[in-house]
Amino acid sequence: QSVLTQPPAASGTPGQRVTISCSGSSSNIGSRTVNWYQQVPGTAPKLLIYSDNQRPSGVPDRFSGSKSGTSASLAISGLQSEDEADYFCAVWDDSLNGWVFGGGTKLTVL
Amino acid sequence: QITLKESGPTLVKPTQTLTLTCTFSGFSLSTRDMNVAWIRQPPGKALEWLALIRWNDDEHYSPSLKNRLTITKDTSKNQVVLTMTNMDPVDTATYFCARDFDWKLNWGQGTMVTVSS
Repeated sequence: QSVLTQPPAASGTPGQRVTISCSGSSSNIGSRTVNWYQQVPGTAPKLLIYSDNQRPSGVPDRFSGSKSGTSASLAISGLQSEDEADYFCAVWDDSLNGWVFGGGTKLTVL
Repeated sequence: QITLKESGPTLVKPTQTLTLTCTFSGFSLSTRDMNVAWIRQPPGKALEWLALIRWNDDEHYSPSLKNRLTITKDTSKNQVVLTMTNMDPVDTATYFCARDFDWKLNWGQGTMVTVSS
Protein backbone atom coordinates (compact mmCIF):
# COMPACT_ATOMS: atom_id res chain seq x y z
CA GLN A 1 0.00 0.00 0.00
CA SER A 2 1.39 3.35 -1.06
CA VAL A 3 1.81 6.35 1.22
CA LEU A 4 0.23 8.53 -1.46
CA THR A 5 -3.17 7.51 -2.80
CA GLN A 6 -3.96 7.63 -6.51
CA PRO A 7 -6.81 6.10 -8.48
CA PRO A 8 -5.53 2.94 -10.18
CA ALA A 9 -7.03 3.84 -13.55
CA ALA A 10 -8.31 6.77 -15.59
CA SER A 11 -9.50 7.10 -19.16
CA GLY A 12 -10.63 9.59 -21.74
CA THR A 13 -11.18 10.07 -25.43
CA PRO A 14 -8.85 12.10 -27.67
CA GLY A 15 -9.25 15.80 -27.02
CA GLN A 16 -10.77 15.36 -23.57
CA ARG A 17 -9.40 16.62 -20.29
CA VAL A 18 -8.58 14.15 -17.53
CA THR A 19 -7.38 14.70 -14.00
CA ILE A 20 -5.47 12.35 -11.71
CA SER A 21 -5.50 12.92 -7.98
CA CYS A 22 -2.83 12.22 -5.37
CA SER A 23 -3.73 12.28 -1.69
CA GLY A 24 -1.17 12.42 1.11
CA SER A 25 -0.67 13.91 4.54
CA SER A 26 0.79 16.84 6.41
CA SER A 27 4.26 15.26 6.48
CA ASN A 28 4.51 15.04 2.69
CA ILE A 29 2.14 16.89 0.34
CA GLY A 30 1.06 19.24 3.09
CA SER A 31 4.61 20.52 3.62
CA ARG A 32 6.60 19.67 0.50
CA THR A 33 6.31 20.21 -3.24
CA VAL A 34 4.91 17.50 -5.48
CA ASN A 35 6.35 16.01 -8.64
CA TRP A 36 4.47 14.10 -11.33
CA TYR A 37 6.01 11.51 -13.62
CA GLN A 38 4.95 9.63 -16.73
CA GLN A 39 6.12 6.03 -16.89
CA VAL A 40 6.18 3.87 -19.97
CA PRO A 41 7.17 0.27 -19.14
CA GLY A 42 10.84 -0.40 -19.74
CA THR A 43 11.82 3.25 -19.85
CA ALA A 44 12.92 5.79 -17.26
CA PRO A 45 10.07 7.74 -15.66
CA LYS A 46 9.80 11.18 -17.22
CA LEU A 47 9.32 14.31 -15.11
CA LEU A 48 6.14 16.13 -16.13
CA ILE A 49 5.54 18.53 -13.24
CA TYR A 50 7.78 19.72 -10.40
CA SER A 51 7.24 22.13 -7.52
CA ASP A 52 3.49 21.37 -7.63
CA ASN A 53 2.81 23.17 -10.90
CA GLN A 54 5.99 23.82 -12.87
CA ARG A 55 6.70 22.19 -16.22
CA PRO A 56 10.24 21.31 -17.30
CA SER A 57 11.21 22.60 -20.70
CA GLY A 58 9.91 20.33 -23.42
CA VAL A 59 6.78 19.23 -21.56
CA PRO A 60 3.67 20.41 -23.41
CA ASP A 61 1.44 22.92 -21.66
CA ARG A 62 -1.36 20.36 -21.95
CA PHE A 63 0.05 19.01 -18.69
CA SER A 64 -0.61 21.03 -15.55
CA GLY A 65 -0.39 20.47 -11.82
CA SER A 66 -2.09 21.88 -8.77
CA LYS A 67 -2.11 21.36 -5.02
CA SER A 68 -4.44 22.14 -2.16
CA GLY A 69 -3.68 21.14 1.41
CA THR A 70 -2.65 17.50 1.43
CA SER A 71 -3.85 16.67 -2.08
CA ALA A 72 -2.43 17.29 -5.52
CA SER A 73 -3.73 16.82 -9.03
CA LEU A 74 -2.36 16.34 -12.52
CA ALA A 75 -4.51 17.52 -15.40
CA ILE A 76 -4.02 16.53 -19.00
CA SER A 77 -5.98 18.52 -21.55
CA GLY A 78 -6.36 17.81 -25.25
CA LEU A 79 -5.77 14.12 -24.59
CA GLN A 80 -3.67 12.34 -27.22
CA SER A 81 -3.08 8.65 -27.87
CA GLU A 82 0.58 9.12 -26.97
CA ASP A 83 -0.47 10.10 -23.45
CA GLU A 84 -1.42 6.50 -22.71
CA ALA A 85 0.97 5.55 -19.91
CA ASP A 86 1.24 5.22 -16.15
CA TYR A 87 1.38 8.40 -14.07
CA PHE A 88 2.59 8.72 -10.50
CA CYS A 89 3.13 11.42 -7.93
CA ALA A 90 6.22 11.73 -5.76
CA VAL A 91 7.09 13.91 -2.78
CA TRP A 92 9.58 14.00 0.08
CA ASP A 93 8.18 12.88 3.41
CA ASP A 94 9.51 14.59 6.53
CA SER A 95 8.44 11.76 8.84
CA LEU A 96 10.03 9.01 6.75
CA ASN A 97 12.95 11.26 5.80
CA GLY A 98 12.68 9.78 2.34
CA TRP A 99 10.68 9.83 -0.87
CA VAL A 100 7.12 8.54 -1.03
CA PHE A 101 5.17 7.69 -4.13
CA GLY A 102 1.65 7.21 -5.35
CA GLY A 103 0.55 3.79 -6.48
CA GLY A 104 0.34 4.97 -10.06
CA THR A 105 -2.60 5.61 -12.37
CA LYS A 106 -2.87 3.81 -15.68
CA LEU A 107 -4.28 6.21 -18.25
CA THR A 108 -6.11 4.72 -21.19
CA VAL A 109 -6.97 6.80 -24.24
CA LEU A 110 -10.15 5.29 -25.63
CA GLN B 1 22.43 15.73 -20.31
CA ILE B 2 21.79 13.75 -17.15
CA THR B 3 21.88 9.97 -17.47
CA LEU B 4 21.84 7.18 -14.91
CA LYS B 5 22.21 3.48 -15.57
CA GLU B 6 21.71 0.63 -13.14
CA SER B 7 23.73 -2.56 -13.40
CA GLY B 8 23.94 -5.80 -11.49
CA PRO B 9 22.74 -9.40 -11.51
CA THR B 10 19.36 -10.22 -12.97
CA LEU B 11 18.98 -13.33 -10.82
CA VAL B 12 19.98 -13.93 -7.21
CA LYS B 13 19.24 -16.82 -4.88
CA PRO B 14 17.40 -16.46 -1.58
CA THR B 15 19.69 -15.43 1.31
CA GLN B 16 22.30 -14.02 -1.09
CA THR B 17 23.46 -10.42 -1.07
CA LEU B 18 22.50 -8.18 -3.98
CA THR B 19 24.94 -5.54 -5.19
CA LEU B 20 23.70 -2.93 -7.64
CA THR B 21 25.73 -0.14 -9.22
CA CYS B 22 24.37 3.16 -10.49
CA THR B 23 26.69 4.82 -13.00
CA PHE B 24 25.77 8.36 -13.86
CA SER B 25 26.86 11.30 -16.00
CA GLY B 26 25.92 14.92 -16.39
CA PHE B 27 26.32 15.84 -12.73
CA SER B 28 28.71 15.41 -9.83
CA LEU B 29 27.92 14.00 -6.41
CA SER B 30 30.42 16.44 -4.96
CA THR B 31 28.11 19.33 -5.83
CA ARG B 32 26.32 20.78 -2.83
CA ASP B 33 22.77 19.42 -2.33
CA MET B 34 23.25 16.70 -4.94
CA ASN B 35 21.97 13.28 -3.89
CA VAL B 36 21.35 9.84 -5.41
CA ALA B 37 18.47 7.60 -4.37
CA TRP B 38 17.55 3.97 -4.93
CA ILE B 39 13.92 3.03 -5.51
CA ARG B 40 12.31 -0.28 -6.42
CA GLN B 41 9.07 -1.45 -7.97
CA PRO B 42 7.86 -5.06 -7.61
CA PRO B 43 5.93 -6.33 -10.64
CA GLY B 44 2.49 -4.74 -10.70
CA LYS B 45 3.09 -2.90 -7.45
CA ALA B 46 3.94 0.58 -6.31
CA LEU B 47 7.31 2.28 -6.09
CA GLU B 48 9.21 2.01 -2.82
CA TRP B 49 12.04 4.31 -1.78
CA LEU B 50 15.01 2.36 -0.42
CA ALA B 51 17.95 4.62 0.34
CA LEU B 52 19.60 7.92 -0.42
CA ILE B 53 23.15 9.22 -0.20
CA ARG B 54 23.89 12.91 -0.07
CA TRP B 55 26.74 14.99 -1.47
CA ASN B 56 28.11 15.32 2.08
CA ASP B 57 28.08 11.52 2.66
CA ASP B 58 24.91 11.54 4.78
CA GLU B 59 22.95 8.32 4.30
CA HIS B 60 19.22 7.76 4.70
CA TYR B 61 17.45 4.40 4.65
CA SER B 62 13.90 3.15 4.53
CA PRO B 63 13.12 2.20 8.14
CA SER B 64 11.60 -1.11 7.05
CA LEU B 65 14.78 -2.17 5.22
CA LYS B 66 17.43 -0.26 7.12
CA ASN B 67 19.04 -3.38 8.59
CA ARG B 68 19.61 -4.91 5.14
CA LEU B 69 20.79 -1.94 3.11
CA THR B 70 24.07 -0.15 2.59
CA ILE B 71 24.55 2.72 0.17
CA THR B 72 27.97 4.07 -0.80
CA LYS B 73 29.35 6.47 -3.37
CA ASP B 74 32.52 6.80 -5.41
CA THR B 75 32.55 10.40 -6.55
CA SER B 76 35.61 9.94 -8.76
CA LYS B 77 33.91 7.13 -10.69
CA ASN B 78 30.45 8.77 -10.73
CA GLN B 79 28.96 5.67 -9.14
CA VAL B 80 26.65 4.82 -6.28
CA VAL B 81 26.42 1.26 -5.00
CA LEU B 82 23.54 -0.32 -3.11
CA THR B 83 23.90 -3.62 -1.29
CA MET B 84 20.94 -5.53 0.07
CA THR B 85 21.54 -8.57 2.24
CA ASN B 86 19.46 -11.70 2.80
CA MET B 87 17.49 -11.47 -0.44
CA ASP B 88 14.03 -13.04 -0.52
CA PRO B 89 11.59 -13.72 -3.39
CA VAL B 90 9.52 -10.73 -2.21
CA ASP B 91 12.49 -8.56 -3.15
CA THR B 92 11.92 -9.39 -6.82
CA ALA B 93 11.53 -5.98 -8.44
CA THR B 94 12.83 -3.43 -10.89
CA TYR B 95 15.47 -1.38 -9.09
CA PHE B 96 15.93 2.25 -10.11
CA CYS B 97 18.53 4.80 -9.19
CA ALA B 98 17.69 8.48 -9.46
CA ARG B 99 19.41 11.82 -9.07
CA ASP B 100 17.76 13.80 -6.31
CA PHE B 101 18.45 17.50 -6.72
CA ASP B 102 16.33 20.55 -6.03
CA TRP B 103 13.50 18.27 -4.86
CA LYS B 104 13.26 16.55 -8.23
CA LEU B 105 14.17 13.03 -9.27
CA ASN B 106 15.85 12.17 -12.59
CA TRP B 107 15.56 8.42 -13.08
CA GLY B 108 17.51 5.65 -14.72
CA GLN B 109 15.58 3.08 -16.72
CA GLY B 110 15.87 0.46 -14.00
CA THR B 111 17.16 -3.08 -13.79
CA MET B 112 15.00 -6.12 -13.09
CA VAL B 113 16.18 -8.41 -10.31
CA THR B 114 14.56 -11.79 -9.72
CA VAL B 115 15.08 -13.69 -6.48
CA SER B 116 14.64 -17.40 -7.00
CA SER B 117 16.38 -20.64 -6.20
